[in-house]
Amino acid sequence: AIRMTQSPSSLSASTGDRVTITCRASQGISSYLAWYQQKPGKAPKLLIYAASTLQSGVPSRFSGSGSGTDFTLTISCLQSEDFATYYCQQYYSYPPPWTFGQGTKVEIK
Amino acid sequence: EVQLVESGGVVVQPGGSLRLSCAASGFTFDDYAMHWVRQAPGKGLEWVSLISWDGGSTYYADSVKGRFTISRDNSKNSLYLQMNSLRAEDTALYYCAKGVREMATITAFDIWGQGTMVTVSS
Repeated sequence: AIRMTQSPSSLSASTGDRVTITCRASQGISSYLAWYQQKPGKAPKLLIYAASTLQSGVPSRFSGSGSGTDFTLTISCLQSEDFATYYCQQYYSYPPPWTFGQGTKVEIK
Repeated sequence: EVQLVESGGVVVQPGGSLRLSCAASGFTFDDYAMHWVRQAPGKGLEWVSLISWDGGSTYYADSVKGRFTISRDNSKNSLYLQMNSLRAEDTALYYCAKGVREMATITAFDIWGQGTMVTVSS
């Protein structure tokens, strides 16, 4: 199975900061990469799919980039509601499994 | 409103069986592939199973293959997960999730339910 590795596993940041999270695939996955946000006690929420397509209703401060094996989620100006755990997921392998990264927890500094 | 509501999670003994359900509303259910994803307490997300929009294709994570069966009833807008030979490591919050694109299997998941908790313990 394709392994997804996120870095860092956690980070501390302040409101207004620019935050970057990296996701690396163990083999090329083209652009079949999604990013999800999960807050405590809540279901994951789709932010970005196809590596860089912003899901409807998601604020434009979120952006995604990359293809192949290296991907990035950027939050341009961190807001209080953005403190959460973020997961990347590949949906390239067919047949599945479609694997998630281990998560990156964004905490308040 | 597009919505998924899971049910059926309980405490069950090792070796037992359970069927989870997911009721869909607010979208044309039989146009979309559906998934089950689980999250063990304090852990990350694990994809479990996929069923195509017409039910003709199903796929499983190696960790559940041969023990779990995904199915759907498009006439009832419902998704199911039959779980047999349950193990302690199956303890998790189980989410159902909808594919982003119509008539497509290879997509991200845009709508998630609130999850139903399965605890496998004696």
